[in-house]
Amino acid sequence: KNQVEQSPQSLIILEGKNCTLQCNYTVSPFSNLRWYKQDTGRGPVSLTIMTFSENTKSNGRYTATLDADTKQSSLHITASQLSDSASYICVVRNYGGSQGNLIFGKGTKLSVKP
Amino acid sequence: DAGVIQSPRHEVTEMGQEVTLRCKPISGHDYLFWYRQTMMRGLELLIYFNNNVPIDDSGMPEDRFSAKMPNASFSTLKIQPSEPRDSAVYFCASSLGQGMGIRGTEAFFGQGTRLTVV
Repeated sequence: KNQVEQSPQSLIILEGKNCTLQCNYTVSPFSNLRWYKQDTGRGPVSLTIMTFSENTKSNGRYTATLDADTKQSSLHITASQLSDSASYICVVRNYGGSQGNLIFGKGTKLSVKP
Repeated sequence: DAGVIQSPRHEVTEMGQEVTLRCKPISGHDYLFWYRQTMMRGLELLIYFNNNVPIDDSGMPEDRFSAKMPNASFSTLKIQPSEPRDSAVYFCASSLGQGMGIRGTEAFFGQGTRLTVV
C-alpha cells in the first residue's frame, strides 16, 4: 500500500535553532517528492521538489534530502525564524493508481518560539 | 493571476442543510482537485477533474457528496445533507498537467473553506 509517514507529529524549537523533519514513504513506482509548507489558515505551498536522481536541494534556509534506496526524505531548517511556524507536508507522486498520483503525509507541525 | 480562489472562507451550517463550496482555478490549468483536511486524517483527495471531466471520484466519502465542473473556470463541491462529521477544511487545487513526467507539476492550493456542521 502506498503510504507516506512523517515524524515527528509536532515539534517546538527556539528561534535561531535548527531542526530536521523526516518523511518515509512506501510509494512505488516513485516519481518525485515535494515538501509543502502550510501556514495556519492557508493552503499548502510548495517548498521544493526532489526527483529520484537528486540527493540534496536547497531553498534558502530549507534543505531537502532524498535517499531513494531507503525511501526516506528529510527537510532541514537552518536558523529558524518565527515565520517558520507552520505544518510541513511531504507529498510523494507515483505513476498510475488513483488518488491523482499524489500521496500525502499527515504533516509535522512546527512551532518556533522566541 | 490571483491564484486559486475559494468561497466562502468559512461556513457554519446546521446538520441536514445543503452546503455548496465554490472554486475558481488558475486560468489555463487543466486539472482541478478537491481535498478535505482534518487533524486525524490529514489531506485526503476527494475528486479530481481533467478538462472539466471527473476522472477519479473514489475519494468521495458517500453519495451525500457531489462535485461538478461546468466550465474551465468554476467548480462546486456540494454536500447534501450535511452531517457534523463533514466538518473539516476543504481545499481546491489546480495544476497544469497532472505531471506524468519525472518532475511532475505543482498543484496550487486555494486558501480553503472551513466548514462547521452543528
